[in-house]
Amino acid sequence: DGGITQSPKYLFRKEGQNVTLSCEQNLNHDAMYWYRQDPGQGLRLIYYSQIVNDFQKGDIAEGYSVSREKKESFPLTVTSAQKNPTAFYLCASSTSGTSGRSDDYEQYFGPGTRLTVT
Amino acid sequence: QKEVEQNSGPLSVPEGAIASLNCTYSDRVSQSFFWYRQYSGKSPELIMSIYSNGDKEDGRFTAQLNKASQYVSLLIRDSQPSDSATYLCAVNIGGGNKLTFGGGTRVLVKP
Repeated sequence: DGGITQSPKYLFRKEGQNVTLSCEQNLNHDAMYWYRQDPGQGLRLIYYSQIVNDFQKGDIAEGYSVSREKKESFPLTVTSAQKNPTAFYLCASSTSGTSGRSDDYEQYFGPGTRLTVT
Repeated sequence: QKEVEQNSGPLSVPEGAIASLNCTYSDRVSQSFFWYRQYSGKSPELIMSIYSNGDKEDGRFTAQLNKASQYVSLLIRDSQPSDSATYLCAVNIGGGNKLTFGGGTRVLVKP
């Protein structure tokens, strides 16, 4: 089955610790994204990558870092510099938008990781 | 002004009725528009995409796009209790494949 996996589903950390969230996709999508969702809020873009070894900051990149060494993988590190890290983190992927396909830009989401920092 | 705006709701709809959700956006360059459904505690699920002015129907869902007025709407016909969820509107503000999401509209379908 094609899809996006995120692990773990729940994650608990102490304040001051860095933590890495995993995101893997087997949809052969070029582009991948990380979003953060706070209770009762919409999604806010943290980082996105349109191609391997390249990524761009989204609207709320401070305190986060990413890497894109493989097409299938886009891990997100929440660093100790992130002031309010407790949130629901969502990874998504899409085609790059250059194929001319009807589903260009459609983003598909993984199940999410719920991070709690105390 | 937010780039993508939705009424937060809740929108209460009797079972079998039509639920009408609206979304306005700020950027005339935007070309791609999406509706996602999100159940409580779950990740968003894509239900509709629309790129051209007019209506697009898929089962009980109809998306309507009016680029001149900068709004996109979603109609849910014959609403069912299982349609109770938050519906997120997403727009590629500025073009490209980066999406901006609205805050979502919570829909409650009452039996």
